[in-house]
Amino acid sequence: GAVVSQHPSWVICKSGTSVKIECRSLDFQATTMFWYRQFPKQSLMLMATSNEGSKATYEQGVEKDKFLINHASLTLSTLTVTSAHPEDSSFYICSASWTSGSYEQYFGPGTRLTVT
Amino acid sequence: GENVEQHPSTLSVQEGDSAVIKCTYSDSASNYFPWYKQELGKRPQLIIDIRSNVGEKKDQRIAVTLNKTAKHFSLHITETQPEDSAVYFCAASRITGNQFYFGTGTSLTVIP
Repeated sequence: GAVVSQHPSWVICKSGTSVKIECRSLDFQATTMFWYRQFPKQSLMLMATSNEGSKATYEQGVEKDKFLINHASLTLSTLTVTSAHPEDSSFYICSASWTSGSYEQYFGPGTRLTVT
Repeated sequence: GENVEQHPSTLSVQEGDSAVIKCTYSDSASNYFPWYKQELGKRPQLIIDIRSNVGEKKDQRIAVTLNKTAKHFSLHITETQPEDSAVYFCAASRITGNQFYFGTGTSLTVIP
């Protein structure tokens, strides 16, 4: 149980275009989902926290207008990288927890974004 | 916000030896400390976790200790095997909000 999927697993896009990444909880309802970014050989950096039906809370230094997060249902959150640039190339990982009081997070397999 | 530091950044051990990775955190309200193993290009996998009401937890070859007063916690892997080679991350979290703040990672290499 507690499986989280992401789609796509990898994507290449041209500079200036937008890319949408989906994160789904397959066998549980995720009241809270998290988005992380991981550069090569670096740690996971929390970008934002999203709760179903409300606006995402962004970490300091993360541009909310560039990284649009939508958590429209208890099983789906999306991250849209708008006007992507090469420096946005990274590994994006989502995670989900099933209640606001749950300690554990379940991670998706990640999405490798390359902006050319 | 929370700041988690992790040491060492790289660690090489001979197969069968023990490996120890240490983390410190800054937010005294943090009360949940998971450890993750990540292989290249894959998702982090939870290997063990500890809550602030416990000082030590063990699961076969893996153990974690927590010192709340000093705000540090450690991962201990005994009888290391080549398949233990990976990057290990510690994290700190508080139940309110539940955000995880990760350490910088330790690349562990177990030499056969």
